[in-house]
Amino acid sequence: GAVVSQHPSRVICKSGTSVKIECRSLDFQATTMFWYRQFPKKSLMLMATSNEGSKATYEQGVEKDKFLINHASLTLSTLTVTSAHPEDSSFYICSALWAVTSGTDTQYFGPGTRLTVL
Amino acid sequence: QKEVEQNSGPLSVPEGAIASLNCTYSDRVSQSFFWYRQYSGKSPELIMSIYSNGDKEDGRFTAQLNKASQYVSLLIRDSQPSDSATYLCAVWMDSSYKLIFGSGTRLLVRP
Repeated sequence: GAVVSQHPSRVICKSGTSVKIECRSLDFQATTMFWYRQFPKKSLMLMATSNEGSKATYEQGVEKDKFLINHASLTLSTLTVTSAHPEDSSFYICSALWAVTSGTDTQYFGPGTRLTVL
Repeated sequence: QKEVEQNSGPLSVPEGAIASLNCTYSDRVSQSFFWYRQYSGKSPELIMSIYSNGDKEDGRFTAQLNKASQYVSLLIRDSQPSDSATYLCAVWMDSSYKLIFGSGTRLLVRP
């Protein structure tokens, strides 16, 4: 299967600071990437869809000025949590869409980033 | 009605048994279906994908799709304790260009 990396895997920051999380597709190009967050024992929640070269599409209730997404290349999308607060502490997971010419596109997930805001 | 429904479990089976995980979906035009496994504290890992009615086998895993009944299942043969995880059923929605997940079924394989 395709490989997606995320960096950092874990980050602890002070309230009010900004944190950037990188998501890379290592062995394929991904026009579309997705960002999710997950609270303990809860389902994945889609935050936004990131498209290379265009603005991200945010899900209802997700503040786009709070969660800045940049998809500057076909292998890299970044999520910046601005002015982080303790309630932003969560497990952030990206996925990259492996588009194929025949068959169906498949999403592969990165290993996730655990964010703790003090 | 939720778009993708799964029994939350836990489903407990003894080691060596067959574990059967079920999922129903509401969008009749959906064409692509996926099973992901998620260990506690980790991200989802793709187990199987299925697009056509019938069975698809990969090692100990068999995915089954019945579009008429809007039903997808995953069978795990010879279950191992290492199979203990949450299994997420996901349906790709062409209309909204995103994957819709069920809430997951927690599987416990008893040694």
